[in-house]
Amino acid sequence: GQQLNQSPQSMFIQEGEDVSMNCTSSSIFNTWLWYKQDPGEGPVLLIALYKAGELTSNGRLTAQFGITRKDSFLNISASIPSDVGIYFCAGMDSNYQLIWGAGTKLIIKP
Amino acid sequence: DAEITQSPRHKITETGRQVTLACHQTWNHNNMFWYRQDLGHGLRLIHYSYGVQDTNKGEVSDGYSVSRSNTEDLPLTLESAASSQTSVYFCASSDGRLTDTQYFGPGTRLTVL
Repeated sequence: GQQLNQSPQSMFIQEGEDVSMNCTSSSIFNTWLWYKQDPGEGPVLLIALYKAGELTSNGRLTAQFGITRKDSFLNISASIPSDVGIYFCAGMDSNYQLIWGAGTKLIIKP
Repeated sequence: DAEITQSPRHKITETGRQVTLACHQTWNHNNMFWYRQDLGHGLRLIHYSYGVQDTNKGEVSDGYSVSRSNTEDLPLTLESAASSQTSVYFCASSDGRLTDTQYFGPGTRLTVL
């Protein structure tokens, strides 16, 4: 089936650093979503993007819907310990199905 | 507050047994989804429903079934559990037919011995 390529798979960062992750696809998507999953919990929606080129912020998080509609990125500025977790991108295809990336695991070095 | 719950949160069963995982949402959402999450695979769609009496197969539906007799519940049944079905299972719901924002339950960790 369709897949999104999400990178990196994992990130080890220092507290206070900025973080960037992205998703790419060979298919065009109508919607891009970014979710975060804390250990032992279900994913929680962070940001939803609906138009090519759209740039949306949610606090220290910023996400963009790529112009080609085949990619999206998520940036986290000035990371804090509670940012640790797994971040997932998801794209909605022409059949209105959500296609999920494999996740980016964010770990903050002590 | 509206919510989505799953039960049990943890389940250990034996190969060949029938297992049912419950999902209940009080959002009054039309759409409900079941995913499994395995290391390195992210979330994979098992079955989904767009309303009462509607069910559809997802990417990895073999060995699983669902039924939707009311708006609030979408139970997932493993007819004959296999070790390959050891996973974490998430239920999600969303409002409307085409909407994209899915709200997830806390997950059920299933171990098949």
